[in-house]
Amino acid sequence: GIQVEQSPPDLILQEGANSTLRCNFSDSVNNLQWFHQNPWGQLINLFYIPSGTKQNGRLSATTVATERYSLLYISSSQTTDSGVYFCAVELEDTGRRALTFGSGTRLQVQP
Amino acid sequence: EAEVAQSPRYKITEKSQAVAFWCDPISGHATLYWYRQILGQGPELLVQFQDESVVDDSQLPKDRFSAERLKGVDSTLKIQPAELGDSAMYLCASSFIEKTGYTFGSGTRLTVV
Repeated sequence: GIQVEQSPPDLILQEGANSTLRCNFSDSVNNLQWFHQNPWGQLINLFYIPSGTKQNGRLSATTVATERYSLLYISSSQTTDSGVYFCAVELEDTGRRALTFGSGTRLQVQP
Repeated sequence: EAEVAQSPRYKITEKSQAVAFWCDPISGHATLYWYRQILGQGPELLVQFQDESVVDDSQLPKDRFSAERLKGVDSTLKIQPAELGDSAMYLCASSFIEKTGYTFGSGTRLTVV
């Protein structure tokens, strides 16, 4: 099956710092999403980004589908950014249309 | 903003008892998913519905788990009997059409004692 690898697994930042999270995937995909899971377990959709670049406030994401990776950028981090960030992908051209998740990057932003 | 509703939010049950979770997707979303997330891991798909039909239940432990979406709207996931290893977060998600994003509910955190 498709492999989704996220790095780094853990990240500790000081408030105000910038960071880049990476997601590598092993096959062609037609859907890629970044999620933030808050301490209460809620998965918040950050970006639907199978290709290209998007920005939303302090967050931005880029997916290079031909090279099978995606990056999530967090600028001027805040303590509320803490939590786990998941990349999830959906295989292209299969009957199984469901997201496969990576193992996540656990981010802790310290004041 | 439209939400996926799940209940209960938390559930504690004894081993060998039956337990059920409910999910109401965003109105108009034909595709509904149940995921299980073990602590420290990413969510894994249990079952996928398209309207009232099961599209994929290959990862559902069918000896003890069942899922239904009778009218193609809300859905119920049942575990009978529950085992200690079933302790996890159970997440429901829905999506509208292909090439659009998924929306997840708040989840049900199950503890089996």
